[in-house]
Amino acid sequence: GQQVMQIPQYQHVQEGEDFTTYCNSSTTLSNIQWYKQRPGGHPVFLIQLVKSGEVKKQKRLTFQFGEAKKNSSLHITATQTTDVGTYFCAETSGTYKYIFGTGTRLKVLA
Amino acid sequence: DAGITQSPRYKITETGRQVTLMCHQTWSHSYMFWYRQDLGHGLRLIYYSAAADITDKGEVPDGYVVSRSKTENFPLTLESATRSQTSVYFCASAKGVNQPQHFGDGTRLSIL
Repeated sequence: GQQVMQIPQYQHVQEGEDFTTYCNSSTTLSNIQWYKQRPGGHPVFLIQLVKSGEVKKQKRLTFQFGEAKKNSSLHITATQTTDVGTYFCAETSGTYKYIFGTGTRLKVLA
Repeated sequence: DAGITQSPRYKITETGRQVTLMCHQTWSHSYMFWYRQDLGHGLRLIYYSAAADITDKGEVPDGYVVSRSKTENFPLTLESATRSQTSVYFCASAKGVNQPQHFGDGTRLSIL
């Protein structure tokens, strides 16, 4: 069935360093969504990518969708302690059955 | 998000008991979902619903039952709780296909 692999599973960075998480699929994705979950909280929607090669930015966050629509990345520039949490990608492949990646847990050391 | 609420927030019960987790949304979203979250597994879809009276199984439906008689409510029932169902359960809703999901605050369920 559908499977979305997310790497790395954990990442510890010093405050101010950059961070990237990757989402990979063996099948072509119709779209990809990214969510952030703070410790003890619930997932919160960040962004959706639909087009091949699409790049979107939200302040220090840059989201990319691969040209073949089989992978996506989230890059955070100059991390801050407020970036702490788990970042998930999710894909639907045109249905309403969302499949989430296993997430990347980010810890930022001050 | 204030528009989707889950109850209870915390629940402790014993194996073999029936437990119902409630989910209520005020947006009139068509789609609703139940997930469980366990360390190392991320979010796994249990059941989902496209509209009132339309439900379907997700990745891990065994041991769970859902109903959706009204658009705004989507309760999840564990008919005979087992220790392996100890988890954090999230309810979510979405306006339409491929739309962002809005999550409730979750229910932390412990089964002894």
